Amino acid sequence: EAGVAQSPRYKIIEKRQSVAFWCNPISGHATLYWYQQILGQGPKLLIQFQNNGVVDDSQLPKDRFSAERLKGVDSTLKIQPAKLEDSAVYLCASSRWTSGVAKNIQYFGAGTRLSVL
Amino acid sequence: DAKTTQPTSMDCAEGRAANLPCNHSTISGNEYVYWYRQIHSQGPQYIIHGLKNNETNEMASLIITEDRKSSTLILPHATLRDTAVYYCIVRVVGKSTFGDGTTLTVKP
Repeated sequence: EAGVAQSPRYKIIEKRQSVAFWCNPISGHATLYWYQQILGQGPKLLIQFQNNGVVDDSQLPKDRFSAERLKGVDSTLKIQPAKLEDSAVYLCASSRWTSGVAKNIQYFGAGTRLSVL
Repeated sequence: DAKTTQPTSMDCAEGRAANLPCNHSTISGNEYVYWYRQIHSQGPQYIIHGLKNNETNEMASLIITEDRKSSTLILPHATLRDTAVYYCIVRVVGKSTFGDGTTLTVKP
């Protein structure tokens, strides 16, 4: 099966500009995650969708970050305006929904590397 | 989610077993132990998971202590391609928190 697709792979912008990332999860995966990974650190969950509803966005900086998952498939993550500290790799992951047990393995895309100058 | 503690880095000789420890002393009864790894410039890759019993698949073995407060990931015959950052995560349904992981370097 095809993996999680993300685009673009790289993006360079200046601070205060806006940027958007796109993710297409594995077909049939109801749960979609966006992570931010700063160099040298583990991924940090930004937002989790179950179909097109938000399950957890407690660590999403809502003053500048937004995400949507229309129709419960593709998702976009937007940053507006970008700050220098937003330089990171943005990872998208998806998993099947397995009700009642914590066996939902996450499959990750290759990520988008954002550099804010 | 329970907090995990892993060594920052480890070395292993090619062809030897790599044993990566993880401490999760605050794990609760319904939390699974997951292991992922991240090779440079790629997204994390699932390796294995378990609840109470030891588990084995084509990639690795997972040994969980009887009190579930720690676990060890075993790569039986490490190759140069196993050089990566290895993350141990404990979580209940849906939520997972990645720490900073262990950087495993496999040397010829």
